[in-house]
Amino acid sequence: GNSVTQMEGPVTLSEEAFLTINCTYTATGYPSLFWYVQYPGEGLQLLLKATKADDKGSNKGFEATYRKETTSFHLEKGSVQVSDSAVYFCALDSNDYKLSFGAGTTVTVRA
Amino acid sequence: EPEVTQTPSHQVTQMGQEVILRCVPISNHLYFYWYRQILGQKVEFLVSFYNNEISEKSEIFDDQFSVERPDGSNFTLKIRSTKLEDSAMYFCARQGTAGDETQYFGPGTRLLVL
Repeated sequence: GNSVTQMEGPVTLSEEAFLTINCTYTATGYPSLFWYVQYPGEGLQLLLKATKADDKGSNKGFEATYRKETTSFHLEKGSVQVSDSAVYFCALDSNDYKLSFGAGTTVTVRA
Repeated sequence: EPEVTQTPSHQVTQMGQEVILRCVPISNHLYFYWYRQILGQKVEFLVSFYNNEISEKSEIFDDQFSVERPDGSNFTLKIRSTKLEDSAMYFCARQGTAGDETQYFGPGTRLLVL
């Protein structure tokens, strides 16, 4: 079946530090890949997505590249801000119209 | 602006009681989903609903759960006899417009069963 594995948190960084959250997946076919973000007390918001191999999703300074050869979709941001403190979820849709989520990674950015 | 709205934002109920969680899409869509997130755990798929019928359901979605779209607008999740382990955040999502398979989530309903 489909599964998503994320690096375990929590991750604590200083402002302007580089952030990487690793995500690997197992899926049949050619899934679409997503990163969702959950800010404190809020729901899930789509951060970025990629629908085919070698696509790069980007938003708000975050980027992730769909790597089929390594079945990965790592999230990166070059310079984080305090406002980036949130829980980040990697997810996939294997064209069966349901998302499979990773466990989530809590990121805390300190001023 | 949320893609869907959900009511209530919080609900506290006694074990064995029925609860109805509501989801209202901002615009007219055909594909809807319910997910839940038990505190500290991953987000889990419950059910998908297409054109007023259940499309797929997970093993979590047993006989105590049901979904419907009674008035063609609101999309509801009913839990007939709540258990302590039903305490969770419940998210409604809708699919994007044609050609966009992305799921857009509502803000969630936090359910606490005592």
